[in-house]
Amino acid sequence: EDKVVQSPLSLVVHEGDTVTLNCSYEVTNFRSLLWYKQEKKAPTFLFMLTSSGIEKKSGRLSSILDKKELFSILNITATQTGDSAIYLCAVVVTGTASKLTFGTGTRLQVTL
Amino acid sequence: GAVVSQHPSRVICKSGTSVKIECRSLDFQATTMFWYRQFPKKSLMLMATSNEGSKATYEQGVEKDKFLINHASLTLSTLTVTSAHPEDSSFYICSAQGTSGSVYEQYFGPGTRLTVT
Repeated sequence: EDKVVQSPLSLVVHEGDTVTLNCSYEVTNFRSLLWYKQEKKAPTFLFMLTSSGIEKKSGRLSSILDKKELFSILNITATQTGDSAIYLCAVVVTGTASKLTFGTGTRLQVTL
Repeated sequence: GAVVSQHPSRVICKSGTSVKIECRSLDFQATTMFWYRQFPKKSLMLMATSNEGSKATYEQGVEKDKFLINHASLTLSTLTVTSAHPEDSSFYICSAQGTSGSVYEQYFGPGTRLTVT
């Protein structure tokens, strides 16, 4: 059975801190790993990672994949209160028509 | 990005009744739609995959007679929770995937909160 685990489950930091969120997976026929941010409602897409070692960056957020060790990290630098959300990672395996298997999620709270 | 809507956003119903939730892709055609449920403080759990014009594929443990899915057009899929019980109370989210089939083109709806009393 495909498995995606995120850590930590929840995290409280002060504004300005840097955080690293982890996502490890055990799946058959890995294709891609995606990161989403969920505030109150719909998850919004952040990154898709397919190849090891290539960092994806968007503003203060960055992410990288290690296909040998089967994990990905999402970094957020200089956190702001607007970064407070649940961060979800999801894995797509080949031959499943882009079916997403989600991890447990990390709830991030950024305080002033 | 593309827009996916869900209706209703929130519904309260009595135990034993059926509830229909609609998922629409507003500005693109979606050959595939996915239905998820999310319990409080938990992640999204895929319930079923629906392809336009064919029967939905349900995940293990999801009762297809209880959660009826219809994907009659390229812009609309419906999930009907039949004979709802309090344990069906949850947040239901759909996602719609564009005709390219790329996972980049998978957009989520805002969700429907179902409360069964």
